[in-house]
Amino acid sequence: DSGVTQTPKHLITATGQRVTLRCSPRSGDLSVYWYQQSLDQGLQFLIQYYNGEERAKGNILERFSAQQFPDLHSELNLSSLELGDSALYFCASSARGQGMDTQYFGPGTRLTVL
Amino acid sequence: GQQLNQSPQSMFIQEGEDVSMNCTSSSIFNTWLWYKQEPGEGPVLLIALYKAGELTSNGRLTAQFGITRKDSFLNISASIPSDVGIYFCAGREGISNFGNEKLTFGTGTRLTIIP
Repeated sequence: DSGVTQTPKHLITATGQRVTLRCSPRSGDLSVYWYQQSLDQGLQFLIQYYNGEERAKGNILERFSAQQFPDLHSELNLSSLELGDSALYFCASSARGQGMDTQYFGPGTRLTVL
Repeated sequence: GQQLNQSPQSMFIQEGEDVSMNCTSSSIFNTWLWYKQEPGEGPVLLIALYKAGELTSNGRLTAQFGITRKDSFLNISASIPSDVGIYFCAGREGISNFGNEKLTFGTGTRLTIIP
């Protein structure tokens, strides 16, 4: 158990819909990262937050947005969903979001878009 | 998105055999990491490498940070059934600079152990 929690574990929805994925980092960790893992693909970095502020951005679609709240939990919002958005979405956290910090991954949310 | 080239894609080995996999990149990385992912779980960090040429072990696992900073290798000795899973390499460009902490992941090596 990494200490990072993600809800829900599974999510099934239809095209065009909007969903919110939630992540709680490890106790004391200030930085949160979101990754997308499509079928048989490696993980693609989406976005990083540190203490409530956006710190780094990957290839995140404009239809996707995220935020980190004062209690440090984070939410990833996916809107106008398409079939290709079906994937595993992982959240990771690290202590300070700095170079040698270890990123600890949550168990992921499996999103299925029908 | 950018990805690292990881090989082999899959391996079928017998228990007790040694395993080698590698990762190459067109970009220089200052940190190389190796993760293992099991079904229904997130990746778990196995080994972290911070210096070119560094060789680090974690039990039966040994990883090396390539001298060119563009590759890394992972070896597993005397494989056991619990080694089954997908192994990912990951590179990080930043050292301690804020805002560049994203990990670029390899495509994964799926390890299967034949009874």
